[in-house]
Amino acid sequence: AQSVTQLGSHVSVSEGALVLLRCNYSSSVPPYLFWYVQYPNQGLQLLLKYTTGATLVKGINGFEAEFKKSETSFHLTKPSAHMSDAAEYFCAVSNFNKFYFGSGTKLNVKP
Amino acid sequence: DVKVTQSSRYLVKRTGEKVFLECVQDMDHENMFWYRQDPGLGLRLIYFSYDVKMKEKGDIPEGYSVSREKKERFSLILESASTNQTSMYLCASSPGYANTEAFFGQGTRLTVV
Repeated sequence: AQSVTQLGSHVSVSEGALVLLRCNYSSSVPPYLFWYVQYPNQGLQLLLKYTTGATLVKGINGFEAEFKKSETSFHLTKPSAHMSDAAEYFCAVSNFNKFYFGSGTKLNVKP
Repeated sequence: DVKVTQSSRYLVKRTGEKVFLECVQDMDHENMFWYRQDPGLGLRLIYFSYDVKMKEKGDIPEGYSVSREKKERFSLILESASTNQTSMYLCASSPGYANTEAFFGQGTRLTVV
């Protein structure tokens, strides 16, 4: 069975501060992992994905994530938050055909 | 670019009505999905289709059915809408091989009154 846990339903950072959004997964097979972003009243947009190879994955808008198999984690980071990063972020794991999503983390960026 | 189009952004329906949510993708993807999104619960899979006329129940199929008569179109049907089906509904598609992501539509916010 596959599942995703996102720690922290709300995260608040100051503009310019480090962003860290946590994701842990469980998977019976080597996972494919994804981070999506959702702006208000919109669909989900892919930020980045891990399939195979390099464990540090870079995505759009300056975000990156590191796959750590020993910790079953795929945390999302950005060195310096912008106001435009305020959104909801979802971690997901897939097993070929289906995608399993975490409950989401809302990021608030304070001026 | 892949485009997944949902027919309505906002819908208001009455309790007991039969409701159709339509989704079309333009990239010849094998797989299509319907998710429901509620605050604090993330995305929950309602139904999944891996081919024309083929479907599989997700985690919360009760009160819903689906139809996929053509590869590009996947419809979600609420047979008799109820207030607890008020939610955001998201359609997605994917090519169906292992290392690819799902592509999402803009979502339909359904209110049942």
